[in-house]
Amino acid sequence: EPEVTQTPSHQVTQMGQEVILRCVPISNHLYFYWYRQILGQKVEFLVSFYNNEISEKSEIFDDQFSVERPDGSNFTLKIRSTKLEDSAMYFCASSEARHSGELFFGEGSRLTVL
Amino acid sequence: QKEVEQDPGPLSVPEGAIVSLNCTYSNSAFQYFMWYRQYSRKGPELLMYTYSSGNKEDGRFTAQVDKSSKYISLFIRDSQPSDSATYLCAMSGQDTGRRALTFGSGTRLQVQP
Repeated sequence: EPEVTQTPSHQVTQMGQEVILRCVPISNHLYFYWYRQILGQKVEFLVSFYNNEISEKSEIFDDQFSVERPDGSNFTLKIRSTKLEDSAMYFCASSEARHSGELFFGEGSRLTVL
Repeated sequence: QKEVEQDPGPLSVPEGAIVSLNCTYSNSAFQYFMWYRQYSRKGPELLMYTYSSGNKEDGRFTAQVDKSSKYISLFIRDSQPSDSATYLCAMSGQDTGRRALTFGSGTRLQVQP
């Protein structure tokens, strides 16, 4: 069964460092997303991406964050200068349809900022 | 008022019981309603997806949406210990092309053997 894969599964970084989280969405999906979940809290939307551009972003997704689809398979989330409060699970998701909630999530990348 | 409210639990039931999970919401623009299952430190796994009001059944799972009451439910029949997980409701709207999902906080379910 096709799945969304994410790397790394866990990254520990120092405050102020840049981090890149990587995702390989399901191959025939056209819409890509990043969500995050701070420990013990709700899953929160960060950004959606379609046709090589951001289609929607939340107030969390400030100038420290960026997304890119550098090739035909990868989808990345970059955090330029990490803060302690960026520590969370980051989930990549993809979907096939335009107006749909049928998102398929990856296993997540745990980011720990020290 | 929170946009999506969900009782955090934990909800503990014996194996074989019928489980009822629910969420309420305040935004009448929501049209797509989902239930995800999340095991500890794993990604959300889509269980049920419903558009607008009505019922949908898939195996042991039944999802209900009542848009007039802004209330959605997930029923699990013949619950199994492997159903022990956190269940997240999620919803999204179409009116402005908004695809972002708004999640509930999740209900932790424990099915006792």
